Amino acid sequence: SQQGEEDPQALSIQEGENATMNCSYKTSINNLQWYRQNSGRGLVHLILIRSNEREKHSGRLRVTLDTSKKSSSLLITASRAADTASYFCATDLYNTDKLIFGTGTRLQVFP
Amino acid sequence: DVKVTQSSRYLVKRTGEKVFLECVQDMDHENMFWYRQDPGLGLRLIYFSYDVKMKEKGDIPEGYSVSREKKERFSLILESASTNQTSMYLCASSLGQGVKGYTFGSGTRLTVV
Repeated sequence: SQQGEEDPQALSIQEGENATMNCSYKTSINNLQWYRQNSGRGLVHLILIRSNEREKHSGRLRVTLDTSKKSSSLLITASRAADTASYFCATDLYNTDKLIFGTGTRLQVFP
Repeated sequence: DVKVTQSSRYLVKRTGEKVFLECVQDMDHENMFWYRQDPGLGLRLIYFSYDVKMKEKGDIPEGYSVSREKKERFSLILESASTNQTSMYLCASSLGQGVKGYTFGSGTRLTVV
């Protein structure tokens, strides 16, 4: 069962530009998380935002959460070529530690 | 540095073989998970475990089983490998309670011929 859906599926930008990815989900959550995956590798946890939080920052990352719309966005500011990767949102099924992942956004940052 | 280690990066097996994918974590995490990742389908949960000797089915358990005899090790077993089980397999562990995110292994790319 797919809980999160990312939009867009693919995004290409120049270095220095900002990248915004969106995630929509279907059911109540405790928290929403974002992960990055470099080609052919495992996922790396980026940031976790709880259902009672609206915004969270970590370095060049900013995540927002709107539980009324069941949506979240990930903003990467001043993108670098090294940010090229796939980005996934994941939501926990309420009261469990099980994460349901979306299909991801492929971000390409050109030097 | 904390780690989740998957025993093989690449694996090629024949149809009908019994396949073992091993995952070890050194973080004393309670929870461990097995996902498979396929293009266009994202990550799908196969099995997970909240404690030693405990296991629960995920969304796609058919054709798979798991074993967790020790806290640090979670094995995924393909009872009789089939070509439609060709995929990237990802193991993860977590503290639980939504405290922090998952820590993933590097993945095992399994090809069944």
